[in-house]
Amino acid sequence: AQSVTQLDSQVPVFEEAPVELRCNYSSSVSVYLFWYVQYPNQGLQLLLKYLSGSTLVESINGFEAEFNKSQTSFHLRKPSVHISDTAEYFCAVSESGGYNKLIFGAGTRLAVHP
Amino acid sequence: GAVVSQHPSWVICKSGTSVKIECRSLDFQATTMFWYRQFPKQSLMLMATSNEGSKATYEQGVEKDKFLINHASLTLSTLTVTSAHPEDSSFYICSALKTGLTYEQYFGPGTRLTVT
Repeated sequence: AQSVTQLDSQVPVFEEAPVELRCNYSSSVSVYLFWYVQYPNQGLQLLLKYLSGSTLVESINGFEAEFNKSQTSFHLRKPSVHISDTAEYFCAVSESGGYNKLIFGAGTRLAVHP
Repeated sequence: GAVVSQHPSWVICKSGTSVKIECRSLDFQATTMFWYRQFPKQSLMLMATSNEGSKATYEQGVEKDKFLINHASLTLSTLTVTSAHPEDSSFYICSALKTGLTYEQYFGPGTRLTVT
């Protein structure tokens, strides 16, 4: 069975500092990996995804994540955060070739302080 | 873009009554929709997969007679919580699977259910 572990429930950081949100997964088959963001009182939005190809994927707002198969990780990074990045971030995995069930991690609350 | 709406966004009902939540894909057709439940400060837990024109597939531990799912059209899936109890209070989120060149789930904004 697949599972996702987000090691940090909360990450406080100052504005313009770098941040890394950690995500590890467990699966016996090939997977697709995702990061979703949930702003207060809003639905989940896809931030970025890894399906195949380059192991480094980027979003339009400066986040990036790297798929590391040997470490079964898909950590999310941003070199300089903004106040507006304050949100809940969820890592998710689905079995490749199907793209149906998404298994979510517990989420990481990113709090950016001025 | 791809937009998914949910209605209502917030509902309060009395214990023992039933409540229906609608999930609509506004600008695309979705053969498959998903229903999730999110507890406070916790992750989303998949409840069931809804397929247009067929019975929903429920995850282990989810009571299908309590959480009735109907996917009657390519743009609408409904979740009915029957004989609701306070422990059913939660945040219910749906997503719709958009297919084509890529497959991607688009999420609705969620429905907050409070059972008193």
